[in-house]
Amino acid sequence: EPEVTQTPSHQVTQMGQEVILRCVPISNHLYFYWYRQILGQKVEFLVSFYNNEISEKSEIFDDQFSVERPDGSNFTLKIRSTKLEDSAMYFCASSEVRASYEQYFGPGTRLTVT
Amino acid sequence: GENVEQHPSTLSVQEGDSAVIKCTYSDSASNYFPWYKQELGKGPQLIIDIRSNVGEKKDQRIAVTLNKTAKHFSLHITETQPEDSAVYFCAALGAGNQFYFGTGTSLTVIP
Repeated sequence: EPEVTQTPSHQVTQMGQEVILRCVPISNHLYFYWYRQILGQKVEFLVSFYNNEISEKSEIFDDQFSVERPDGSNFTLKIRSTKLEDSAMYFCASSEVRASYEQYFGPGTRLTVT
Repeated sequence: GENVEQHPSTLSVQEGDSAVIKCTYSDSASNYFPWYKQELGKGPQLIIDIRSNVGEKKDQRIAVTLNKTAKHFSLHITETQPEDSAVYFCAALGAGNQFYFGTGTSLTVIP
């Protein structure tokens, strides 16, 4: 069964460093998403992406965040200058059609900022 | 924006019993409500969903009910098995096509 994959599973970085989280969505899906989950808190929407541009973004997704689909298979989330409060689990998801339909999540990347 | 509340935060049931998890939402415009199951070390897995034009949906041992007037929806798992043990999240599709998630329910099925 096709699935969303994410790398790395765990990333440790120092405050102020840039990180790139990578995702490979399900191959025939057209919409891509990033979510984050701070330990013990709700899963929060960050951004959705379609046709090589951002469709929607939340208040969390400020100028330090960016997303890119650098090729036909990868979808990345970049955090330019990490802060301690960026420590969280980051989930990528994809859907065949837009948000009102099934979204399939990857296993997540645990980001630890020290 | 949308606010989703989920109860209980933890739930323990005996194997074979039923489990019910409830969520409320605030935005009456929300029209899609998925439920996700998250096992340790894995991402959320969609297990069932319901749209606002339907009151109930069933898939084997899992059912979801939606009360649009009261703005709440529930997950029902019957004949629970140990492999049902996981964290369950409800979500609502709100304004801006964003998903708003509940805080999760940790379900433990005791053999």
